[in-house]
Parts: sequence; C-alpha cells; structure tokens
Amino acid sequence: AQKITQTQPGMFVQEKEAVTLDCTYDTSDQSYGLFWYKQPSSGEMIFLIYQGSYDEQNATEGRYSLNFQKARKSANLVISASQLGDSAMYFCAMREDHTGGFKTIFGAGTRLFVKA
Amino acid sequence: DSGVTQTPKHLITATGQRVTLRCSPRSGDLSVYWYQQSLDQGLQFLIQYYNGEERAKGNILERFSAQQFPDLHSELNLSSLELGDSALYFCASSAGQHYGYTFGSGTRLTVV
Repeated sequence: AQKITQTQPGMFVQEKEAVTLDCTYDTSDQSYGLFWYKQPSSGEMIFLIYQGSYDEQNATEGRYSLNFQKARKSANLVISASQLGDSAMYFCAMREDHTGGFKTIFGAGTRLFVKA
Repeated sequence: DSGVTQTPKHLITATGQRVTLRCSPRSGDLSVYWYQQSLDQGLQFLIQYYNGEERAKGNILERFSAQQFPDLHSELNLSSLELGDSALYFCASSAGQHYGYTFGSGTRLTVV
C-alpha cells in the first residue's frame, strides 16, 4: 500500500538559515505526484510545491525547492532563508491514481519552529 | 480567501445527531475532495467527486455520505455522530491531477 513517512515530528531552525524537511514514500505506481503543504497555527492548508514522478528536474517555487530522489523514494522539502512566518506544520503528500479518480495521502507532518 | 468556501466554520452537536457540511469549490474546478483531520489519525482522505460523480473513496465510514450537485457544490453528511467524529473537516478542490489542492478553511466539528 502507498505510504508517506515524515520522520521528524518537530524541527528548529534559525531565522535566515536553510532547513530540510524529510519525506519518504512507498508506492508501486510508476506515475504519481508528490506535494508539500503548509498548515500555520491558524489552521488553513496551503499548497507549496508539486513534483511529478516523471519530472527530471527538481521543482522550485520561490524559497521552496523539492529535492526529489526517485531511486531512494524521497521528496525532501528545502526552505531557504527561513522566516518567522515559516513556523508551521508541514505535510508531505502523494497522489494515488485510482480508476477514474485520484486521492492524495498525507504524512503525519513535521512541525517547524523558526527562531529569531 | 482561497476560493474554496466551507460552511459552517464551527459546529457543536450531540452524539447521535446528523449534520451537513457544505463546500463550494474554487471557480472552474470540477473536483472536490473531503478530508478529516484529527489529532490521532492525521489527515484522512474521505471521498472525491468530479463533476457530480464519485471518483475515489477513502476510509469513509458508512455513517458518512457525500454528494456533488450540478452547480458543483458538495455536501458531506455525517449521521449517528459519535464523540470520535470530532475533527476538522476540510474540503479541497483542484484544477487537475498535476495541480495542488486548494483547501477551504475547514469546519470544526465538536460532538458532545
């Protein structure tokens, strides 16, 4: 069965430094998608970045980049130049393709604390 | 405002009751997804609708049902509520499989 693993329940990073949030996944599908979402303390879920399984280059969106290592089945999120507003819960997710439909499964999340 | 509208934002109800959660997807999005977020289970996929048709199903309880109407809004019906159903229920929509979800602000359900 498909599975997403985030092994870091919580992480601390100093403001303006880079941080890597780990994510590994397990799937037997050849075609899948990987996502990262941010959930601030206010509760909303915010889409950050997407990587398709056939994309050869790592996805980037502003200060976010996804370090995709297909053979290792990892999809780590790198946040560069951390800001206080980056303090939040971060979820790694994987899209599963079903006949006629899709569902996205989420990892347990990593809570990031940015220190001033 | 994400463009996905969920109502109500908060709901408190007693065990055994039935509630309906409503979701309007972002303009142009045909797919609607429902998720349940609780402290012990994390984010759990419930069900997907695409243009009025059920397309994918997760671990949705038989006491729960959903539908998507011709105007694309969706409703999640929760019946015979139990204390364990207390959670944050999210609706999300997407433009397609290669796009991230746009989530609504969620409905916080408390069963007492």
